Amino acid sequence: AQSVSQHNHHVILSEAASLELGCNYSYGGTVNLFWYVQYPGQHLQLLLKYFSGDPLVKGIKGFEAEFIKSKFSFNLRKPSVQWSDTAEYFCATKGTGANNLFFGTGTRLTVIP
Amino acid sequence: DAGVIQSPRHEVTEMGQEVTLRCKPISGHNSLFWYRQTMMRGLELLIYFNNNVPIDDSGMPEDRFSAKMPNASFSTLKIQPSEPRDSAVYFCASSYRDRGEQYFGPGTRLTVT
Repeated sequence: AQSVSQHNHHVILSEAASLELGCNYSYGGTVNLFWYVQYPGQHLQLLLKYFSGDPLVKGIKGFEAEFIKSKFSFNLRKPSVQWSDTAEYFCATKGTGANNLFFGTGTRLTVIP
Repeated sequence: DAGVIQSPRHEVTEMGQEVTLRCKPISGHNSLFWYRQTMMRGLELLIYFNNNVPIDDSGMPEDRFSAKMPNASFSTLKIQPSEPRDSAVYFCASSYRDRGEQYFGPGTRLTVT
């Protein structure tokens, strides 16, 4: 069955630190992968997506993610975080033939000014 | 585009009352999803529709919950009777065909006292 796992439940960083959030997917077929962000009190918003092609995907707000098929990973990165990046981050996957997304449990990021 | 529209944004009701949550998906999207989010259980998919037809309702907690999509531009999630444990934020999301990325509405924060 398709699933994703997020290793970190809560990450605390100082402003300007670099960020990497882990995401591993289980499905061995063709996958579509997504990162969503949920700011406090708001809804989920799409950060970036991977369908095919260049495994390094750039999203909004300076975020990027790299699809590494051999590691079943799709980690989210940002070279320098800001206080405004404080939010919860969800990794999700969609396999071929499915229309719904399978979300990870989320990683809460707290950025200290 | 106005995005996914949900109403009401906040609902406070007493145990035993009927609650109806409403969602208008993005125009042209043919898949609609209802999620529930709580601190304890995280983000849960309740049900989703393709072309107005319910595809997977395995996430619906029990018979007190029902969802309908009478046309491409409107869906409801009904809880009857409501219980305090139904208190949560309910999100509606829509997507287009097999593209995968879902767009979330602002959510309805339900409090059952």
